[in-house]
Amino acid sequence: NAGVTQTPKFQVLKTGQSMTLQCAQDMNHEYMSWYRQDPGMGLRLIHYSVGAGITDQGEVPNGYNVSRSTTEDFPLRLLSAAPSQTSVYFCASSRDRNSGANVLTFGAGSRLTVL
Amino acid sequence: AQSVTQPDIHITVSEGASLELRCNYSYGATPYLFWYVQSPGQGLQLLLKYFSGDTLVQGIKGFEAEFKRSQSSFNLRKPSVHWSDAAEYFCAVGEYGNKLVFGAGTILRVKS
Repeated sequence: NAGVTQTPKFQVLKTGQSMTLQCAQDMNHEYMSWYRQDPGMGLRLIHYSVGAGITDQGEVPNGYNVSRSTTEDFPLRLLSAAPSQTSVYFCASSRDRNSGANVLTFGAGSRLTVL
Repeated sequence: AQSVTQPDIHITVSEGASLELRCNYSYGATPYLFWYVQSPGQGLQLLLKYFSGDTLVQGIKGFEAEFKRSQSSFNLRKPSVHWSDAAEYFCAVGEYGNKLVFGAGTILRVKS
């Protein structure tokens, strides 16, 4: 199993450009989520999904858009990139939204720089 | 609101010495608690977790953590640190283990 796969690993954008960070999991997990990691702030939840067709906002959703058309994929869209979105982005998934036995599996991360 | 505090931004220990990384949390219900480790440029790897039961939990790489409800703490310990343990460590709390709230992280340096 590949686990959680994120692409691209690195990306440089100019302010105002748009792009999509891809996330795919092959574990048939119901729950998927996106975090951003900034120095001294740990990881903060951007958006999450508890199943295909269902998404919700996390702690820092502004400037990001998500959709979940399949169980496997959970892309993160930046509609108009800003320098404040320079960060490392992690996608994570887990088996089940209502079980206490969930453990998040993280992707390797995508480093985004916005100039 | 949920929150996690890791009071130490950096910790330096000698190889072979013992280690304790502190974590305090604020959570309205019974917490699901985690410790993750991140090596430079890498993703996050789960060290251990606490869901219920025995308050002393064992993890990978010789790490353990103790849940103390009265102190709202979940400190990570290792009896003898190896140079390969140098990394950043994150404590996290969440509902059902999903919507995790992370601490700011503690960077561990190991000196030989």
